[in-house]
Amino acid sequence: DIQLTQSPSSLSASVGERVTITCRASQTINRYLNWYQLRPGMAPKLLIYAASSLQSGVPSRFSGSASRTDFTLTISSLQPEDFATYYCQQTYGTPRTFGQGTKVEIK
Amino acid sequence: QVQLQESGPGLVKPSETLSLTCVVSDFSRDYYWGWIRQPPQKGLEWIGSISYSGSASYNPSLRSRVGLSVDPSRNQFSLTLTSVTAADTAVYYCARDQVGGSNQHDYWGQGTLVTVSS
Repeated sequence: DIQLTQSPSSLSASVGERVTITCRASQTINRYLNWYQLRPGMAPKLLIYAASSLQSGVPSRFSGSASRTDFTLTISSLQPEDFATYYCQQTYGTPRTFGQGTKVEIK
Repeated sequence: QVQLQESGPGLVKPSETLSLTCVVSDFSRDYYWGWIRQPPQKGLEWIGSISYSGSASYNPSLRSRVGLSVDPSRNQFSLTLTSVTAADTAVYYCARDQVGGSNQHDYWGQGTLVTVSS
């Protein structure tokens, strides 16, 4: 299985701060990498697909980038509704696998 | 906006079969339809995905126990998981899978908690 290693596993940040989450794949996955946001009691939300494409309706403060097997999710200015857990997912190989998650908490 | 809603028993006994259904507001043939789960305090695990016509792919770790099916006439698709144990306790999500792009799960249900316990 393709392993995805997310870092950090958690972080504390203030409203307005820039936040970066990294996801490293154990092998090449081209750009078959998606980012999701999970908040308690709510349906998970797709933020970024194909490494850097912004899902329709997602605020532009979210962005994704890729460099070989390293992928990054950036929130340019953290908002109160962004405190959540974020997961990367690869869909290049079967099974599709997820990173272990990054919990973003309020500082 | 597509809406998905999972339904099924919240409690299943060990060794029995877990059965869940996902009703979709717009069950289109243009997409695949998937299941993902999250055990308590753990990460996400892809279970499998199925097309409108019934072609399915599964997580090999669950393949011997999982079945996916579709019922377009009722706008729904279903998951069965046999011989469950406590390790199958999780929130189960259904989702719509894009075909092409990066096969992303672009819409999800809110999830349903299934507890395996006697």
